Amino acid sequence: GAVVSQHPSWVICKSGTSVKIECRSLDFQATTMFWYRQFPKQSLMLMATSNEGSKATYEQGVEKDKFLINHASLTLSTLTVTSAHPEDSSFYICSARIGHFGPGTRLTVL
Amino acid sequence: QKEVEQNSGPLSVPEGAIASLNCTYSDRGSQSFFWYRQYSGKSPELIMFIYSNGDKEDGRFTAQLNKASQYVSLLIRDSQPSDSATYLCAVNRMMDSSYKLIFGSGTRLLVRP
Repeated sequence: GAVVSQHPSWVICKSGTSVKIECRSLDFQATTMFWYRQFPKQSLMLMATSNEGSKATYEQGVEKDKFLINHASLTLSTLTVTSAHPEDSSFYICSARIGHFGPGTRLTVL
Repeated sequence: QKEVEQNSGPLSVPEGAIASLNCTYSDRGSQSFFWYRQYSGKSPELIMFIYSNGDKEDGRFTAQLNKASQYVSLLIRDSQPSDSATYLCAVNRMMDSSYKLIFGSGTRLLVRP
């Protein structure tokens, strides 16, 4: 099956700083990757679709200037949470193929 | 109306029983349907997917799809305490020229020893 990794698995940062999360497809090339966010006791919400070599497509209500996505290669997509605030604290999960998820990154903003 | 609806539960069943999890969806354009299991603090794990009407079996799991009724279910036979988790239903459909997974809010399953 498709193997997807994420780094870091968890991160704690101060309010106002930026945090970068990496998503890698380990055994296949992914022209499209998906970024999800999950708040406690809620379901996964699609934030954006990352497209290799082109701009990401953001879902309604997701600020593209706050959640910067870069998909520079066929195996790597990054999500940067800029000027993080406590309300950005969440579980961020990427998917590099429909149905297959990375292990997730838990972000805590103090 | 939510696009994908699930009863939040918890659904409590005794060990060895059949657990039945249900999901309805609103968009008839949905192409395929996924069931995931998610343990607390972990990423979802794919259990199985189905795209044709009828039943699909994989070990102790059976997915059932009825497109006319816009209904998909997951049966877990011989439920084990280790099956206790949140089960997420997701539908895959075309949106903005690409396929996207839309998730339900999940049903929490508790299997009592």
